[in-house]
Amino acid sequence: KAGVTQTPRYLIKTRGQQVTLSCSPISGHRSVSWYQQTPGQGLQFLFEYFSETQRNKGNFPGRFSGRQFSNSRSEMNVSTLELGDSALYLCASSLGPTQETQYFGPGTRLLVL
Amino acid sequence: AQSVSQHNHHVILSEAASLELGCNYSYGGTVNLFWYVQYPGQHLQLLLKYFSGDPLVKGIKGFEAEFIKSKFSFNLRKPSVQWSDTAEYFCAVIPTSGTYKYIFGTGTRLKVLA
Repeated sequence: KAGVTQTPRYLIKTRGQQVTLSCSPISGHRSVSWYQQTPGQGLQFLFEYFSETQRNKGNFPGRFSGRQFSNSRSEMNVSTLELGDSALYLCASSLGPTQETQYFGPGTRLLVL
Repeated sequence: AQSVSQHNHHVILSEAASLELGCNYSYGGTVNLFWYVQYPGQHLQLLLKYFSGDPLVKGIKGFEAEFIKSKFSFNLRKPSVQWSDTAEYFCAVIPTSGTYKYIFGTGTRLKVLA
């Protein structure tokens, strides 16, 4: 089976712009979670989608949003980018609810200038 | 608030040395526990997990972890490390009821010297 794929792999944006990141889960997986990874902070949970519904949300401002499509693919959007949004954004999928093992993608590295 | 603490941020060992990485969590209810590893240039991947049963669990590449409920700990061990174990290790916890949010520790960077 193909693993979790994320596009694009690298992005450079300037402050104030918006960005959309995409995640394709492993075939058959219905749960997709998003994380922000920064040095020293580890992985910070952004949100989780299961069957097109947001099940959980982390402590991030409303500039961070997401959605999941009927084929379980997910997108994450960040509006009005700030310098502090520079990070590696990881997507993870699991068969069902996230109590199960998660399988991570390679991440999208976002640099905000 | 729920949290996961990994007290060792950087660990340097020589090959064949024994490894123990600490992980403590704060949550009063039942949790599932995980260790994930990120090798240089690779995705995060599961090393081992504990859901229930024998508190000593074995994972890939000779790693094991012991869940001590009274101490809220899930320490990772390996009797003899290899150069290829150089990686970043993350402990993660998810409650089995309530918030269902994965909580990750900040990670431990392990460097094994050949």
